[in-house]
Amino acid sequence: EIVLTQSPDFQSVTPKEKVTITCRASQSIGDHLHWYQQKPDQSPKVLIKYASQSISGVPSRFSGSGSGTEFTLTIDSLEAEDAATYYCHQSSGLPRTFGQGTKVEIK
Amino acid sequence: QVQLQESGPGPVKPSETLSLTCTVSGGSLSYSYWNWIRQPPGQGLEWIGYIINRGSTKYNPSLKSRVTISDDTSKNHFSLRLSSVTAADTAVYYCARSHGGSHFDYWGQGTLVIVSS
Repeated sequence: EIVLTQSPDFQSVTPKEKVTITCRASQSIGDHLHWYQQKPDQSPKVLIKYASQSISGVPSRFSGSGSGTEFTLTIDSLEAEDAATYYCHQSSGLPRTFGQGTKVEIK
Repeated sequence: QVQLQESGPGPVKPSETLSLTCTVSGGSLSYSYWNWIRQPPGQGLEWIGYIINRGSTKYNPSLKSRVTISDDTSKNHFSLRLSSVTAADTAVYYCARSHGGSHFDYWGQGTLVIVSS
């Protein structure tokens, strides 16, 4: 099983600040890494596919990078509506797995 | 626009079988990967399994002995059965589509299943 480890687990951030979340895979997964945002009592929503590819309708302040075993989600200029938990997910192997989540709080 | 809607009978008693159905509109079960994912209260996401292509399935080994995913293309829905449930199976259960087996692009709203006597 491919284990995904996110850091940090929690981040308290001021609006307009830049946020960086890291996801490390226990083995190389190429670019088969995707990022989701989940707000309280809502289903997750995909933000980035294949490590760095944008999703239609997702604000351009969300971007992704990385390949192999280390990946990053960046939120440029955080807005209040970005308060949520963020998850990475790999589709390189079975079973599909998720990171443990990173909760982003607005100060 | 693809839409997914979970439905099920409600609370389940320990040792019984949990059964849920996901009805798909705006898309055909004949294409894509159709998944079940769960999230215990206050915890992270766990992939349960998927069904594709006329009933081919893959399951999470952690649940494999208890899980069955099936589909009914005439009704455009797919279903989850999880046997011998315990309190640890209490979770919000989501159905989701994965495009080409990759990212989950469409999700249901989720349904909370409580296992309790």
